[in-house]
Amino acid sequence: EPEVTQTPSHQVTQMGQEVILRCVPISNHLYFYWYRQILGQKVEFLVSFYNNEISEKSEIFDDQFSVERPDGSNFTLKIRSTKLEDSAMYFCASSDLTGTNEKLFFGSGTQLSVL
Amino acid sequence: AQTVTQSQPEMSVQEAETVTLSCTYDTSESDYYLFWYKQPPSRQMILVIRQEAYKQQNATENRFSVNFQKAAKSFSLKISDSQLGDAAMYFCAYRSVRGMRFGAGTRLTVKP
Repeated sequence: EPEVTQTPSHQVTQMGQEVILRCVPISNHLYFYWYRQILGQKVEFLVSFYNNEISEKSEIFDDQFSVERPDGSNFTLKIRSTKLEDSAMYFCASSDLTGTNEKLFFGSGTQLSVL
Repeated sequence: AQTVTQSQPEMSVQEAETVTLSCTYDTSESDYYLFWYKQPPSRQMILVIRQEAYKQQNATENRFSVNFQKAAKSFSLKISDSQLGDAAMYFCAYRSVRGMRFGAGTRLTVKP
């Protein structure tokens, strides 16, 4: 079965540094998402992306965050100046339809640790 | 806004027994899907089962089945013949054209 790939699996960074989390969605998918999960808490929606622009974003997704699809295959999440509370597992997901009749495929996540 | 509620933070079941995980949701939409995702210690998100809101028949996948009560906005997951490998966090999720939202999760422990 096709899968969403995320790299790196673990990322450690110092507070205030910029990080870029990378995702390769399934090749024919058009809709892309980032979610995060702080340890022991629920999975939270960050942003959805379609046709090279943000479709929806949550209140978590403030000016520190940005997303990009730089080359038609990668989908990146950038955190400009990381804070301790950004430590979480970040999941990328993709689907080929935005409607309700297709499931999201999730990557295996990037564990971000901000020190 | 759509909300998904899992009222059981933790559940426990004896191996080979049956357990039911609860999920309720709040929505004004008529077209949506419901999902259960399993998150083992590796923290991957693995799709367990999904239910189309327009279908009255409850979805089943091997030992996993749902009890979908649309009027009550309830979507419980039943795991039959529980196995040690079923131990994980289980997340209920609601998906519509507005996107997908998750419940807070239920941690399932399976006792040998």
